[in-house]
Amino acid sequence: ELKVEQNPLFLSMQEGKNYTIYCNYSTTSDRLYWYRQDPGKSLESLFVLLSNGAVKQEGRLMASLDTKARLSTLHITAAVHDLSATYFCAVVSGYALNFGKGTSLLVTP
Amino acid sequence: DGGITQSPKYLFRKEGQNVTLSCEQNLNHDAMYWYRQDPGQGLRLIYYSQIVNDFQKGDIAEGYSVSREKKESFPLTVTSAQKNPTAFYLCASSLGRSSYNEQFFGPGTRLTVL
Repeated sequence: ELKVEQNPLFLSMQEGKNYTIYCNYSTTSDRLYWYRQDPGKSLESLFVLLSNGAVKQEGRLMASLDTKARLSTLHITAAVHDLSATYFCAVVSGYALNFGKGTSLLVTP
Repeated sequence: DGGITQSPKYLFRKEGQNVTLSCEQNLNHDAMYWYRQDPGQGLRLIYYSQIVNDFQKGDIAEGYSVSREKKESFPLTVTSAQKNPTAFYLCASSLGRSSYNEQFFGPGTRLTVL
């Protein structure tokens, strides 16, 4: 059974600071997704990482994938309040996605 | 506009009732999925369908049923056999039947048992 673990599960950070969210998974997969969820809302796709060594950046967020280590990271640069949300990583397993429990991020002034 | 719609947005159910959640997509996607989200948890797969008139159980299918009579529609019924149905339900779709097609999510239905 594929397990996906994210850490930390809760993160409070000041505006302007940098931080990294980690996503580990237990079995081989070469495709990983990062989603954002605002309270009470659906999931918004942030990144699709397709292969080992893939790196994608959008604004203050950068995601990377190391399939050999079974690890993906989501790096936040110079955080702003608008980034406050819950972030999920999800790994392809069979015909669906296995999700981590999510990282709730709160960016404070 | 292409997208995925779910209705209703909020649904209240009494003990022992069956309720049906609607999911429609006009993206011409082959595959559709139902997930359940509990507070502080990730999403868990209930059912998925790769093609019309075919569907498969996910990790937590007990107490749920689905149908796929049309490509664009994938309704989910929460039966009285589901012991703890209060949750946020998300429908998703993807272009093809490959496991590597990106999934897009609807806005969700929040179900509460009274």
